[in-house]
Amino acid sequence: RKEVEQDPGPFNVPEGATVAFNCTYSNSASQSFFWYRQDCRKEPKLLMSVYSSGNEDGRFTAQLNRASQYISLLIRDSKLSDSATYLCVVRRNQAGTALIFGKGTTLSVSS
Amino acid sequence: NAGVMQNPRHLVRRRGQEARLRCSPMKGHSHVYWYRQLPEEGLKFMVYLQKENIIDESGMPKERFSAEFPKEGPSILRIQQVVRGDSAAYFCASSPQSSGNTIYFGEGSWLTVV
Repeated sequence: RKEVEQDPGPFNVPEGATVAFNCTYSNSASQSFFWYRQDCRKEPKLLMSVYSSGNEDGRFTAQLNRASQYISLLIRDSKLSDSATYLCVVRRNQAGTALIFGKGTTLSVSS
Repeated sequence: NAGVMQNPRHLVRRRGQEARLRCSPMKGHSHVYWYRQLPEEGLKFMVYLQKENIIDESGMPKERFSAEFPKEGPSILRIQQVVRGDSAAYFCASSPQSSGNTIYFGEGSWLTVV
């Protein structure tokens, strides 16, 4: 089983749609969680951190369920510029380990 | 711009040659991470280094690949005797410390083996 699993998509939605991405992780000792965004042939860029209480940044809402080892990202009112691959990212623990990336979910927003 | 700097951005090597990829972390960052992204695949962790120390190399192939982060100068990912399957984007990232911080990526080095 992969350490971080995501539905690869693609998700094809019209502008203005709400879309949700899911992610599961296998290591219960994981401590930190993030969503990154990657455009085609570009480097990944941090979208937002994910906290147990859930957090929101504009049109983006992230949720974490530690009991289910499940992370989600909700995008409201999708824009054309949201088209990208969204990467679910987990840090195994705080003691100096690298970030582990899911394969990513591709989103395509059309007009 | 004090971002993570990688060079070369694009590198073409013939099978059997060596590839050296360099990464200068952001100013003030002492932790460097290398990731590989094969075509149509996700980012795979390779190695995590601090100055003069390899902290985690669990993602490094056992042969032909090595990495260093010397006291002075950039981090280097070295691939000996490259094969076609090494063709990929190699991303370097850095962070100021290990616990709890996000990491920031360079623009990547795109290796093509012909």
